[in-house]
Amino acid sequence: DTAVSQTPKYLVTQMGNDKSIKCEQNLGHDTMYWYKQDSKKFLKIMFSYNNKELIINETVPNRFSPKSPDKAHLNLHINSLELGDSAVYFCASSQLYGAQYFGPGTRLLVL
Amino acid sequence: GENVEQHPSTLSVQEGDSAVIKCTYSDSASNYFPWYKQELGKRPQLIIDIRSNVGEKKDQRIAVTLNKTAKHFSLHITETQPEDSAVYFCAASTNTGNQFYFGTGTSLTVIP
Repeated sequence: DTAVSQTPKYLVTQMGNDKSIKCEQNLGHDTMYWYKQDSKKFLKIMFSYNNKELIINETVPNRFSPKSPDKAHLNLHINSLELGDSAVYFCASSQLYGAQYFGPGTRLLVL
Repeated sequence: GENVEQHPSTLSVQEGDSAVIKCTYSDSASNYFPWYKQELGKRPQLIIDIRSNVGEKKDQRIAVTLNKTAKHFSLHITETQPEDSAVYFCAASTNTGNQFYFGTGTSLTVIP
């Protein structure tokens, strides 16, 4: 009964490939997020969706496209992967005015 | 937009000593301040939070203080233990209720 889950946990791929990461939450939260954590451990917000609508879209290359089929799911699709995309990607969710709960992370390595 | 600064970036303490991590924020409309602990290879996990109508909150060895006038908040860990070693993040959330701004993290090492 994991609260926020992500798949896959690890992703190793070649430059130029396209890949997707999936996120699901069973907490009934209205808002879901994608964060990128680089080697320096900074947590950088990428996207935020509230009830399937995009509310935050930080300066992220348009190779990254989020999709929210319903408020329990937020997927991240990445086109034409580059070396600099290697990082840990965390999904999170929150209720309005509540704390965020993070998924276990997806460790992406682009070779 | 909101800007959250966090200090220090690294902190080493002897087991049993106290550790203090400080954060400042810029937007006076921010009203919710969570703290997260991230162990190596794990996800950030909420350890304590405080809302702007409260000045201090305590949970066993962990406490958070908030000074709204000065726009800063701090995490205090007393009687530190080796398992407290982790990266700690502060965050501020505005009155929209669903936007969070994170500090840059503090790597805490507790030396046995």
